[in-house]
Amino acid sequence: AQTVTQSQPEMSVQEAETVTLSCTYDTSENNYYLFWYKQPPSRQMILVIRQEAYKQQNATENRFSVNFQKAAKSFSLKISDSQLGDTAMYFCAFMPRDTGNQFYFGTGTSLTVIP
Amino acid sequence: KAGVTQTPRYLIKTRGQQVTLSCSPISGHRSVSWYQQTPGQGLQFLFEYFSETQRNKGNFPGRFSGRQFSNSRSEMNVSTLELGDSALYLCASGGVVTDTQYFGPGTRLTVL
Repeated sequence: AQTVTQSQPEMSVQEAETVTLSCTYDTSENNYYLFWYKQPPSRQMILVIRQEAYKQQNATENRFSVNFQKAAKSFSLKISDSQLGDTAMYFCAFMPRDTGNQFYFGTGTSLTVIP
Repeated sequence: KAGVTQTPRYLIKTRGQQVTLSCSPISGHRSVSWYQQTPGQGLQFLFEYFSETQRNKGNFPGRFSGRQFSNSRSEMNVSTLELGDSALYLCASGGVVTDTQYFGPGTRLTVL
């Protein structure tokens, strides 16, 4: 069974500062993908960043980067230069590579950016 | 490219009724997955369809069913609605192989 744990239900950060959201997962799979999605108050799920487990290099997308530690089964998201538009619920998600498109989601971290 | 569309966006039903939700994936995508989101249970996987075949199924009762048409559009049906079925239902569209999923705006279902 796959499980995803986000241990920080709520976080806040000052505008322009950096914040890190934690995610750990448990799986016996060797090939998989990891994702971070954000869900603003509009409820639209938006892809933030994607990591392939076989790639050692950490993914980056503009102000967003991850720290992927495969052995520790850890996948944290760092948001640099936080902006008010980053206020949202952030979900960490795991997807096995070879069993179709099925996400296992964490419970989410509610991030508030304070002006 | 147009994004994933879901209709209707909002729906109010009463217990015992049935409901059908629709999802149109991104053009060229053949995979459609459905998720239920509630405050108590979070995001839970319902099922995935790929090329008109159900490829994966979550742990939901048989009242929840789906199908996919030849144009990749998918419908989800819930029969004999219960109060606990009130939720945001999200569909996600994906490519041929396991890949990034793009979500629609969701259908908010309220069961009274």
